[in-house]
Amino acid sequence: NAGVTQTPKFQVLKTGQSMTLQCAQDMNHEYMSWYRQDPGMGLRLIHYSVGAGITDQGEVPNGYNVSRSTTEDFPLRLLSAAPSQTSVYFCASSTGQAGGYGYTFGSGTRLTVV
Amino acid sequence: GNSVTQMEGPVTLSEEAFLTINCTYTATGYPSLFWYVQYPGEGLQLLLKATKADDKGSNKGFEATYRKETTSFHLEKGSVQVSDSAVYFCALLSGSNYKLTFGKGTLLTVNP
Repeated sequence: NAGVTQTPKFQVLKTGQSMTLQCAQDMNHEYMSWYRQDPGMGLRLIHYSVGAGITDQGEVPNGYNVSRSTTEDFPLRLLSAAPSQTSVYFCASSTGQAGGYGYTFGSGTRLTVV
Repeated sequence: GNSVTQMEGPVTLSEEAFLTINCTYTATGYPSLFWYVQYPGEGLQLLLKATKADDKGSNKGFEATYRKETTSFHLEKGSVQVSDSAVYFCALLSGSNYKLTFGKGTLLTVNP
């Protein structure tokens, strides 16, 4: 059981480049989310999805796009990378009873924008 | 809105010392409360949870009790080990809202 898989683990981008961070889960979870982790800031929600075809913005959505065409996959797209997007990105998933079971997190993608 | 406040770190302890990391919250309704742990270079792992008032979550020697009257969920361990060195996050999930709200994290370092 792979859980939540994120790729790549590390990435360096130049300002203005675009890229997609991949996230896949094999637990048939309805809910999926993207967070970014910055020193002294904890984790902040970027975008989330409650099921295939349904997405919504979190706390810090600017500069990011998401889509959810399948239950398993929830990619995060950076349209035009900026140094302020240098961060560690985590994808997480949960069942419908999120309060009871908590979230399962991927191992993260460390992104540096130069 | 929802918020979580946890004690500032870093916290440095000697092996076998007693650990407390304070966590208080503000939320609408009756949130579920969580402690997550992040070991160096890894993602977050669920450490323990409590879904209603007076529930006690426990795992790996760690405990936390959901105190509605003080809106708190403090993490405790009676005797820490070097392997407990990590960042600890308190988090909440409020009612039907499936969005986790995190505290800023507390770095714990345990020295032999």
